[in-house]
Amino acid sequence: GQQLNQSPQSMFIQEGEDVSMNCTSSSIFNTWLWYKQDPGEGPVLLIALYKAGELTSNGRLTAQFGITRKDSFLNISASIPSDVGIYFCAGHIASGTYKYIFGTGTRLKVLA
Amino acid sequence: GAVVSQHPSRVICKSGTSVKIECRSLDFQATTMFWYRQFPKQSLMLMATSNEGSKATYEQGVEKDKFLINHASLTLSTLTVTSAHPEDSSFYICSASTGPNEKLFFGSGTQLSVL
Repeated sequence: GQQLNQSPQSMFIQEGEDVSMNCTSSSIFNTWLWYKQDPGEGPVLLIALYKAGELTSNGRLTAQFGITRKDSFLNISASIPSDVGIYFCAGHIASGTYKYIFGTGTRLKVLA
Repeated sequence: GAVVSQHPSRVICKSGTSVKIECRSLDFQATTMFWYRQFPKQSLMLMATSNEGSKATYEQGVEKDKFLINHASLTLSTLTVTSAHPEDSSFYICSASTGPNEKLFFGSGTQLSVL
């Protein structure tokens, strides 16, 4: 199936550090969604973006909808141990059928 | 946020049996529900899109006779894995949305193990 390119694939960081991850695509998207998934659970929505250039925050999380509409970024500031998990981006393609495409995921581990 | 309930959370069955997984939107009407499959340490792979009252749209490579989807109401969609085999063992997750470009909310997933 179709997937978005998400990087980095995994990260090991120290508690208190900032984290950045991004998703890129060759297709234009109408909507970008960012999720966090814990083991054995379904993804939980963190941030939703609807307009090119939009910058939205949710606590220590900030995400941006790229100007080209082909990419998005998620930043986590001052990471804490509970930030550990897998982060996925998802995009709704601007044309074609109504479905969301998911990124390959970024596995985050925070060292206390 | 909106709540999507998925049951069962875990099922173990013998090869050849069928398993039904339910997905319900508890506090909103979902015009569209999606079913995903996820293998360990991998991303979510879309299996099919279902709209209330119509046939599901399956992704390429997904057997529609194997994975039966029914979306009988705006709050309920079911996935039935027919004649399950060990290779069908996986984590299945449903999601629901109120419409295109809207937020997508996920159930808690079902871990299927076929012996």
